[in-house]
Amino acid sequence: AQSVAQPEDQVNVAEGNPLTVKCTYSVSGNPYLFWYVQYPNRGLQFLLKYITGDNLVKGSYGFEAEFNKSQTSFHLKKPSALVSDSALYFCAVRTRSGNTPLVFGKGTRLSVIA
Amino acid sequence: DGGITQSPKYLFRKEGQNVTLSCEQNLNHDAMYWYRQDPGQGLRLIYYSQIVNDFQKGDIAEGYSVSREKKESFPLTVTSAQKNPTAFYLCASRRGQGLTDTQYFGPGTRLTVL
Repeated sequence: AQSVAQPEDQVNVAEGNPLTVKCTYSVSGNPYLFWYVQYPNRGLQFLLKYITGDNLVKGSYGFEAEFNKSQTSFHLKKPSALVSDSALYFCAVRTRSGNTPLVFGKGTRLSVIA
Repeated sequence: DGGITQSPKYLFRKEGQNVTLSCEQNLNHDAMYWYRQDPGQGLRLIYYSQIVNDFQKGDIAEGYSVSREKKESFPLTVTSAQKNPTAFYLCASRRGQGLTDTQYFGPGTRLTVL
């Protein structure tokens, strides 16, 4: 069974500081990994995904994520946080074997303080 | 959100009534999904369809029904059997059978039971 854990319900960071939102996963075999962002009362917006290749994936709005197979992690990062980055972030995983739907974590609320 | 529309944005229902949430996409995507979002619980899969005239139950299908008569439409009916239907409902779609394809979301419908 696939599962995703986002160990922090809330992350607070000062504007201009680097931010990290953590994600660990559990799948059989190699995963496909995704990050989405959700603003209040809106749908989810796709940020980036890891398919294969370079472990550092760059995405929208200056975000990047690092795939670490040994630690089964896919943490989302940004070098300098903006107040406008404040939102709810979701990590998701899909196994490479079988066409199964994405499995989402419970989300992490990021608050960037000016 | 572009390419996937959900209506209405807000929906109020009296207990015992069935209601239907609309989801339409003009992306020519084969696969469509319905998720339910509750605070602190992330996204939970209700139903999904990978092709017209076929659909599968997700993790929390009880009290819900769907149809997929057209490629671009995947309506969700919340029946009176769903005991706690108040939630934010998100529709999503994905291009096809490719496991690396990105899943895109609509803007959501907020359902409130009065």
